[in-house]
Amino acid sequence: DAKTTQPNSMESNEEEPVHLPCNHSTISGTDYIHWYRQLPSQGPEYVIHGLTSNVNNRMASLAIAEDRKSSTLILHRATLRDAAVYYCILRMNYGGSQGNLIFGKGTKLSVKP
Amino acid sequence: GAVVSQHPSWVICKSGTSVKIECRSLDFQATTMFWYRQFPKQSLMLMATSNEGSKATYEQGVEKDKFLINHASLTLSTLTVTSAHPEDSSFYICSARDIRQVSNQPQHFGDGTRLSIL
Repeated sequence: DAKTTQPNSMESNEEEPVHLPCNHSTISGTDYIHWYRQLPSQGPEYVIHGLTSNVNNRMASLAIAEDRKSSTLILHRATLRDAAVYYCILRMNYGGSQGNLIFGKGTKLSVKP
Repeated sequence: GAVVSQHPSWVICKSGTSVKIECRSLDFQATTMFWYRQFPKQSLMLMATSNEGSKATYEQGVEKDKFLINHASLTLSTLTVTSAHPEDSSFYICSARDIRQVSNQPQHFGDGTRLSIL
């Protein structure tokens, strides 16, 4: 599986936007970019995913670089409940088969009131 | 949305005991379920993939005789930690893939089971 690189930790102020970067320079053409987050003492929660185009949903936006070697998860207005570890994961999808979700170390996001 | 339920949420037991953890998909059917383990301040590590009606596939380094997985129905997978010891203490998380899932849809996770072996 292609690897991702994320900062270990980031801080944000409440109600400000947060940009969480992810580098994936060895991404292949069949890899989707997935983001999950894990709140303390809970299982991971799906945030967003994309292939080439930028994506928006009610939780966040995903900006994907044109060469797909990096992406950014954007939380438009951070709340205290957004404090979590955010995982950027490449998931292979080819011929109807989907790769497993392999978690890296993620970015621990702290949100200050 | 899709819900995955794990039971129990936490368990404390003596060394040598076998512990069973259940993972249920509540509003969808799952041909494939996944078991992860997470030690404190570390990331999730995939232990095994279970497919309904067939044997589980274990990741390298995971003892299949130690961690017994049964996926007897489309809504239930169980993980049994046999003869648990303190080093097996961890946060165990299951995940399920919807049988109807088209490519690259979200995977659903349970809230985990915290296992403490004394």
